Amino acid sequence: NAGVTQTPKFRVLKTGQSMTLLCAQDMNHEYMYWYRQDPGMGLRLIHYSVGEGTTAKGEVPDGYNVSRLKKQNFLLGLESAAPSQTSVYFCASRSWGLAGVPAYNEQFFGPGTRLTVL
Amino acid sequence: AQTVTQSQPEMSVQEAETVTLSCTYDTSENNYYLFWYKQPPSRQMILVIRQEAYKQQNATENRFSVNFQKAAKSFSLKISDSQLGDTAMYFCAFMKLLGGNMLTFGGGTRLMVKP
Repeated sequence: NAGVTQTPKFRVLKTGQSMTLLCAQDMNHEYMYWYRQDPGMGLRLIHYSVGEGTTAKGEVPDGYNVSRLKKQNFLLGLESAAPSQTSVYFCASRSWGLAGVPAYNEQFFGPGTRLTVL
Repeated sequence: AQTVTQSQPEMSVQEAETVTLSCTYDTSENNYYLFWYKQPPSRQMILVIRQEAYKQQNATENRFSVNFQKAAKSFSLKISDSQLGDTAMYFCAFMKLLGGNMLTFGGGTRLMVKP
């Protein structure tokens, strides 16, 4: 049971290049999230998904697109990378369950992807 | 929209002593969850403790406990018998129960435990 994994762990891009970050979870979770963490700050939500085939915008969605074609995978795409997108990206997942059950409200995080845009 | 504020960017404590990290939040929701996450140098986000807003009793997990004051919208974390392994960034986070259940994080407090 690997939990939440992210690919790649590190990446350096030039301005204008595109890339896709992959998040995979093997816990059969319905909810998945993409956050970014800038230096000295907390995590901010980019996009999220409440189930296969559905996505929604978070707090800072501009410049990113996402897809959830399979329940276990959540992809984050940068179509034209900008230096302002230099950050550490975290994926998280959560189970849907009964309110009041601890597993209902805990998000499990991946190890993060450090992205630098030059 | 919710906001979460951690007013202490950095704190330090001697090993074996007790330290309290502050967190305040602003929301119009009545039902929600609050969390403290630990982020060591490895960057991994680790859940430390959770609190359901409808519960009056403060949550405890071994050496970690919270002081939840719903009316004041305050949610502080107390670490007792501090250990060197507690050195990390600590984030307070808010989750409302509707609309995807995403987390809103504070800016973090960097805690250094000194030997």
